[in-house]
Amino acid sequence: GAVVSQHPSRVICKSGTSVKIECRSLDFQATTMFWYRQFPKQSLMLMATSNEGSKATYEQGVEKDKFLINHASLTLSTLTVTSAHPEDSSFYICSASIPLSRYGYTFGSGTRLTVV
Amino acid sequence: DAKTTQPPSMDCAEGRAANLPCNHSTISGNEYVYWYRQIHSQGPQYIIHGLKNNETNEMASLIITEDRKSSTLILPHATLRDTAVYYCIVRVVGAETSGSRLTFGEGTQLTVNP
Repeated sequence: GAVVSQHPSRVICKSGTSVKIECRSLDFQATTMFWYRQFPKQSLMLMATSNEGSKATYEQGVEKDKFLINHASLTLSTLTVTSAHPEDSSFYICSASIPLSRYGYTFGSGTRLTVV
Repeated sequence: DAKTTQPPSMDCAEGRAANLPCNHSTISGNEYVYWYRQIHSQGPQYIIHGLKNNETNEMASLIITEDRKSSTLILPHATLRDTAVYYCIVRVVGAETSGSRLTFGEGTQLTVNP
């Protein structure tokens, strides 16, 4: 149980375009979701925390106007990379907290974004 | 959450036990030790967690020292599929109910060799 489905798994886009990544909780309600970014050979870096029905909280140094996060329902959070540039190429991972679960958190399978 | 320290890399022979250490000398009394792993190009996967007693599940064993300042994750019979980055994280259980975030250190790259 407690599965988070993330789509797409891989996307290539042109510079200047926008890309949307979806993260769905399949069998539980995710009040809080997290978005991470991971560059090659580096650890996961938290970008933002999203709570259903409210504005996301961004980590220091993350541009909120560039990385738009929407958490309009208890089962869906989206990350939109606007006006993407090659330096935005990275591995993006979503996560959801699971209250009252020994796991604590569950993770999506990640999205490999390549901006050309 | 308390800071953890792990070796950057380790090697293990297939079929042998892999022992991954983690130092968390500033751990608080209400903080648990969690282990996750990340296989290349996948999302992290929960392995095990514990407070002060040793724990075992189908994936691994967790040994926590009596003073709780360090722990060891043990994969009893490592396979090639266990090659991954292993993250040791210390956090307060129940923090997820308040939306508390989970932060990752650098982890240990475990390579299981044939």
